[in-house]
Amino acid sequence: ETGVTQSPTHLIKTRGQQVTLRCSSQSGHNTVSWYQQALGQGPQFIFQYYREEENGRGNFPPRFSGLQFPNYSSELNVNALELDDSALYLCASSRGTENYGYTFGSGTRLTVV
Amino acid sequence: GQQVMQIPQYQHVQEGEDFTTYCNSSTTLSNIQWYKQRPGGHPVFLIQLVKSGEVKKQKRLTFQFGEAKKNSSLHITATQTTDVGTYFCANGFGNEKLTFGTGTRLTIIP
Repeated sequence: ETGVTQSPTHLIKTRGQQVTLRCSSQSGHNTVSWYQQALGQGPQFIFQYYREEENGRGNFPPRFSGLQFPNYSSELNVNALELDDSALYLCASSRGTENYGYTFGSGTRLTVV
Repeated sequence: GQQVMQIPQYQHVQEGEDFTTYCNSSTTLSNIQWYKQRPGGHPVFLIQLVKSGEVKKQKRLTFQFGEAKKNSSLHITATQTTDVGTYFCANGFGNEKLTFGTGTRLTIIP
């Protein structure tokens, strides 16, 4: 059973640029969520995808968008990057309505300069 | 919106001492999940509590869910250096967002 994999692991972007982060969910998991974790803070929910549809969104602006593919992998896109977008972006997968914990990927460390 | 507070924010203990972190909510919680995040790592699921007053144990770790389902605690007996990390409580099920607590960072003095 493979876990959650994210790519890239690290990324440096310039303010105003766009970025795409990728996530492959754990085998058997059909729900993918994205979280932003600033240094020293807890993860903050960005949005969740279930069966390729957005299934909830946190307090993030529309320039944060996402996709889920038929194989349950997912992308997080951020447009018009701002310095405050610098953070660890975590992808987490779960088995949807079943009461199991989330499996997190190792994250993508995004630095905006 | 719902907020889940954790105390303490930081805890430094001598190796072998016990450690406890507390999670408190102003509203009734459907469940509590606990995660551990090692320095430089990602959150790793430890356990989920659902029932009022529930207590679960994992080796040296004891997890409790309050009777009113508004608070929870994680207690580690006889800490080891491998226990270092930040412990987060979180609320939410598999098809809902997880709302994380503020976390407690545990450091161990050898």
